Amino acid sequence: AQSVTQLDSQVPVFEEAPVELRCNYSSSVSVYLFWYVQYPNQGLQLLLKYLSGSTLVKGINGFEAEFNKSQTSFHLRKPSVHISDTAEYFCAVSGTGGSYIPTFGRGTSLIVHP
Amino acid sequence: DAMVIQNPRYQVTQFGKPVTLSCSQTLNHNVMYWYQQKSSQAPKLLFHYYDKDFNNEADTPDNFQSRRPNTSFCFLDIRSPGLGDAAMYLCATHLNGHAEETQYFGPGTRLLVL
Repeated sequence: AQSVTQLDSQVPVFEEAPVELRCNYSSSVSVYLFWYVQYPNQGLQLLLKYLSGSTLVKGINGFEAEFNKSQTSFHLRKPSVHISDTAEYFCAVSGTGGSYIPTFGRGTSLIVHP
Repeated sequence: DAMVIQNPRYQVTQFGKPVTLSCSQTLNHNVMYWYQQKSSQAPKLLFHYYDKDFNNEADTPDNFQSRRPNTSFCFLDIRSPGLGDAAMYLCATHLNGHAEETQYFGPGTRLLVL
């Protein structure tokens, strides 16, 4: 079984500032890692995913994340945020064997102030 | 064009009155999922279908049932809604259950139980 911890429930930041949303996972097997974004009253949308290869993963909307196996982390970063990035961000993990059944973290609310 | 459609977007029901939520997809994906998401919490998987094979999560209450009459449609039936069932219900699809493919979410149905 896998679990995900998102350390920050809320991250306020000013527009054009950099941001990092933290995610740590726990698993006894190899994992795939994902970040999803959820805008108000909408479903989740995949931002990026790590399956294998380069530990630095680039996604949509200028976001990137780095897989760190030794620290069991998959933090999400953006060098300069926009007002439109205000949303809920979910980290998710799934095992590499069997069907894709992700375990989601509790989410981090990114609030971008003008 | 919408790929995963959920109807209605908002549903109000009375305590104990059965309710059905609908999900349809235009992606022709094999796998369909139902999640329950309560405020400030992670989406919780209720069940999923791989084609017609139904997979129930161990902690999904018996009060929740699902039907998938064909590839395109999936329904969530709540037989006797309680106040604790008020939540956002998310439908998602996946091509073949492999993590290499992307999971697509609908916009959700927000259920209110009076």
